[in-house]
Amino acid sequence: AQSVTQLGSHVSVSEGALVLLRCNYSSSVPPYLFWYVQYPNQGLQLLLKYTSAATLVKGINGFEAEFKKSETSFHLTKPSAHMSDAAEYFCAVSGGSSNTGKLIFGQGTTLQVKP
Amino acid sequence: DAGITQSPRHKVTETGTPVTLRCHQTENHRYMYWYRQDPGHGLRLIHYSYGVKDTDKGEVSDGYSVSRSKTEDFLLTLESATSSQTSVYFCAISESRGGAVDTQYFGPGTRLTVL
Repeated sequence: AQSVTQLGSHVSVSEGALVLLRCNYSSSVPPYLFWYVQYPNQGLQLLLKYTSAATLVKGINGFEAEFKKSETSFHLTKPSAHMSDAAEYFCAVSGGSSNTGKLIFGQGTTLQVKP
Repeated sequence: DAGITQSPRHKVTETGTPVTLRCHQTENHRYMYWYRQDPGHGLRLIHYSYGVKDTDKGEVSDGYSVSRSKTEDFLLTLESATSSQTSVYFCAISESRGGAVDTQYFGPGTRLTVL
């Protein structure tokens, strides 16, 4: 069985500050891990993904995430927040070599960026 | 952007009426998924398809049925809508890469209100 926990339903940072969104997962098989972003009234857009290659994954818009197997974590970071980063962020896991690709999502974290 | 459209984009209906949501893709991807998004729950899988006429249940399938008669179309039907099915519904598609199912790409969503 797989599950995802995102710590903190709301995170607030100042513009220019570090963004850290936390994600912990559990999986009985080697996982694939994803971060998606959702802007208001839109669908989900892929930020980045981990598929068992490099543990430090770089994505779009300056975001990156590090897969830490020992901590079962896949936290999302960005060195300097922009106002345009305000959105809801979802971490998701799928069963790696699974032949269905089903995703299990975390509850989501809303990022607020203050001027 | 992946070629995924959903129709209708908004719908208001009454309890007990049947409702069908349509997802259409132009990417010729094998896998298609229906999710619902509710506050505090992230996205939860309703049903998915791994080929024409091949479908299976997700974690919240009660009250929903699906059909896929063509690669490009995946229909979600609420046989008798209830207020608990008020939600935003997202369709997603994906394809196999190297033997594993790869990234899911999401449609714009359908906002359904059941009165």
